[in-house]
Amino acid sequence: QVRLVESGGGVVQPGRSLRLSCAASGFIFSDYAITWVRQAPGKGLQWVSIISNDGSNIYYADSVRDRFSISRDNSRNTVYLQLNSLRFDDTATYYCSRAVWDTSGSFFDYWGQGVLVTVSS
Amino acid sequence: QPVLTQSPSASASLGASVTLTCTLSSGYSDYKVDWYQKRPGKGPRFVMRVGTGGIVGLRGDGIPPRFSVWGSGPNRHLTINNIQEEDESDFYCGADHGRRNNFVAVFGAGTKLTVL
Repeated sequence: QVRLVESGGGVVQPGRSLRLSCAASGFIFSDYAITWVRQAPGKGLQWVSIISNDGSNIYYADSVRDRFSISRDNSRNTVYLQLNSLRFDDTATYYCSRAVWDTSGSFFDYWGQGVLVTVSS
Repeated sequence: QPVLTQSPSASASLGASVTLTCTLSSGYSDYKVDWYQKRPGKGPRFVMRVGTGGIVGLRGDGIPPRFSVWGSGPNRHLTINNIQEEDESDFYCGADHGRRNNFVAVFGAGTKLTVL
């Protein structure tokens, strides 16, 4: 079955960095885009970033562009999200999701359980 | 990019039906919308995609047939029949804008469904 497992979260001071990982299994990883979505405590879902199946297309939300970086290693079935210059408002549970992304648009059909990132001094 | 508007809350009695609505902002009424179910402590779950003509593609994994969708103008509706206790969740609608040369995804603020 399709499985996505996030890791790498934790408590970090403002301005510091963290790298999240999303390990996938149960499907042909190199056929699918992967996206990250976050949810701050008590708030709604917020899209963060997406990477195409071969890594050639990458996009970010305005709020994280220039601070976050997404990448993937298809040999390890893993996507990474590098979080730099972290701010208090980056505190959230981060979810990775498999994205079905084609010329008609995209949707996110399988999700991980999430990993908590807390930015605190 | 589209803005998606959802009512903050809805409620229904066990065994009853409820319809949740997601409204696309002006100029985006032909967009497809995706519905997601979010329970506390769990990752979101894809429910299904809806366009002006109704469901697009398949239901999400494990989503029962008592969940259905339909579209009308800028509105994208999710109807849940024979509501069960496990349906008590937050429901979000989402959409994307742009294709391979530009991309952004947006979500509505979510509707909290309470089962009475």
